[in-house]
Amino acid sequence: NAGVTQTPKFRILKIGQSMTLQCTQDMNHNYMYWYRQDPGMGLKLIYYSVGAGITDKGEVPNGYNVSRSTTEDFPLRLELAAPSQTSVYFCASSSDPASTDTQYFGPGTRLTVL
Amino acid sequence: QKEVEQNSGPLSVPEGAIASLNCTYSDRVSQSFFWYRQYSGKSPELIMSIYSNGDKEDGRFTAQLNKASQYVSLLIRDSQPSDSATYLCAVNPRTGGFKTIFGAGTRLFVKA
Repeated sequence: NAGVTQTPKFRILKIGQSMTLQCTQDMNHNYMYWYRQDPGMGLKLIYYSVGAGITDKGEVPNGYNVSRSTTEDFPLRLELAAPSQTSVYFCASSSDPASTDTQYFGPGTRLTVL
Repeated sequence: QKEVEQNSGPLSVPEGAIASLNCTYSDRVSQSFFWYRQYSGKSPELIMSIYSNGDKEDGRFTAQLNKASQYVSLLIRDSQPSDSATYLCAVNPRTGGFKTIFGAGTRLFVKA
């Protein structure tokens, strides 16, 4: 049981480039989330999904897109990367929040945009 | 006012002492409260959750919730150097699709 996995671990992008951050969970969780964490700051929710085919914006969605075609996968797409998107990105998943809201986090992707 | 506020610290305590971490939140309808521990360069991991007023104990950790005062705290007894980490308070307001709000975290240093 791998839990939540993310790839890549590190990435450097040039301004204007695009990339996809991958996230996969093997716990059959319906709920998945993407956060970014800037130095000394808490986690900011970018997008979340309550099940395959259903996604919604979080607090800081601009510059990002997501899709959820399967229960397991929740990729995050960055279009036209900007220096402001330099951050650590965490994917998380949880089971039905009505019963327990524990979120399980992946190891993170450290992204630098130069 | 931030939705979830924590003292950024750092909080420094000697080994064996009690570390007290505090958190206030602004949304009165919040129902679920969590403490996550995050080691430097690692992802957050849940250490405590609490849903009703009062104390909840788990080993050396005690979470305390006071909904009237909109206050949640985490006590770490017999602090160990391995407890040195950033502790994130998280609140689920149970509105708008179960979006959990995280505080900025308190850095804890336990001196050997």
